[in-house]
Amino acid sequence: RKEVEQDPGPFNVPEGATVAFNCTYSNSASQSFFWYRQDCRKEPKLLMSVYSSGNEDGRFTAQLNRASQYISLLIRDSKLSDSATYLCVVTGSGQNFVFGPGTRLSVLP
Amino acid sequence: SQTIHQWPATLVQPVGSPLSLECTVEGTSNPNLYWYRQAAGRGLQLLFYSVGIGQISSEVPQNLSASRPQDRQFILSSKKLLLSDSGFYLCAWSVRTSGRAYEQYFGPGTRLTVT
Repeated sequence: RKEVEQDPGPFNVPEGATVAFNCTYSNSASQSFFWYRQDCRKEPKLLMSVYSSGNEDGRFTAQLNRASQYISLLIRDSKLSDSATYLCVVTGSGQNFVFGPGTRLSVLP
Repeated sequence: SQTIHQWPATLVQPVGSPLSLECTVEGTSNPNLYWYRQAAGRGLQLLFYSVGIGQISSEVPQNLSASRPQDRQFILSSKKLLLSDSGFYLCAWSVRTSGRAYEQYFGPGTRLTVT
């Protein structure tokens, strides 16, 4: 089983739609969790950290379920500019950050 | 504010040639530093990380090496490039802050093509 798994997509959604991504991780001792977005041929950029209590930043909501070992990202009112690949990241032992393969989102006009 | 620089932005090198990629961070001290590679259409693969000057941990055995000669400088090298070394090389830094998870921040990357 891979350490971090994501549905690669693509998710094709119309503008204004709500879309949700899930990510599962295998290491129950993982400490920190993040969502990044990566535009084509660019570096990943931090979207948000994921806290145990869940957190929201504008149209984006992240949730963590430690018991089931998954993280979710919800995007409301999708914009064309949300089109990107969304990477789930989990910290392993020490300083090891493990990236998922990413989920590609295309928001269509 | 913190910034991270990488150069060059793009590089085309023949098989068997040496490689040196440099990364520097400004605006922070004692960062953790990381080198990743992303092959075309693939996810990020952690190559090396460093928690201090001269301290390098390797995640994947390969013909690459890394060095950290100064606190905010991280160098990725190879003596002889292989075709499989082609990819998008990303440097990242993170700092641990008390009471919250530490995030990683990426440089703009170097796109390497080995021919």
